[in-house]
Amino acid sequence: GENVEQHPSTLSVQEGDSAVIKCTYSDSASNYFPWYKQELGKRPQLIIDIRSNVGEKKDQRIAVTLNKTAKHFSLHITETQPEDSAVYFCAPITGGGNKLTFGTGTQLKVEL
Amino acid sequence: DTEVTQTPKHLVMGMTNKKSLKCEQHMGHRAMYWYKQKAKKPPELMFVYSYEKLSINESVPSRFSPECPNSSLLNLHLHALQPEDSALYLCASSQAEIGGHRAYEQYFGPGTRLTVT
Repeated sequence: GENVEQHPSTLSVQEGDSAVIKCTYSDSASNYFPWYKQELGKRPQLIIDIRSNVGEKKDQRIAVTLNKTAKHFSLHITETQPEDSAVYFCAPITGGGNKLTFGTGTQLKVEL
Repeated sequence: DTEVTQTPKHLVMGMTNKKSLKCEQHMGHRAMYWYKQKAKKPPELMFVYSYEKLSINESVPSRFSPECPNSSLLNLHLHALQPEDSALYLCASSQAEIGGHRAYEQYFGPGTRLTVT
């Protein structure tokens, strides 16, 4: 099956620092690359996504960069805040159509 | 309305019971999904319905039976489950294209926490 790896598995930063999470995938046909945030006991929520014809996308403190040649994309969070603490999942489209394959997740902890 | 709703929130069932999970959306989405999420693990896709037809079954055991009675509703019928089936069951929906390969944002419901005793 499709292989999606996410690193690091845990990340602890001080408030105000930046956080970067990387996702690598194996399906060269993937063309949609979302990041989801899941707070404890809550549903996954899309925070940013990018399509294969774009290299970078920003939304306030959040950005995603895509390297399609190397088959990886990264989530960048700047000026982190305690409410950014959550599990973050990459979920590239694999196998075409609308099938998301979730990465293993990164537990981000923002400390005061 | 940008919300996906799921009922019940919690469900405890025995291995011989039959129960159903329900999911509803009124965003006009024509793709609906069932995911299973174990504790501290990512969601795993189980089924995808596109235009009310089953388009993906990720080799899910037959004790899980999905149903899409109309474009707004998605059910998951459960029968003879095992304790290892205990998990959070998430429903999601998205736009869809007939025969297309464009992916769209998936909106998740709050999930049903299922415990099989």
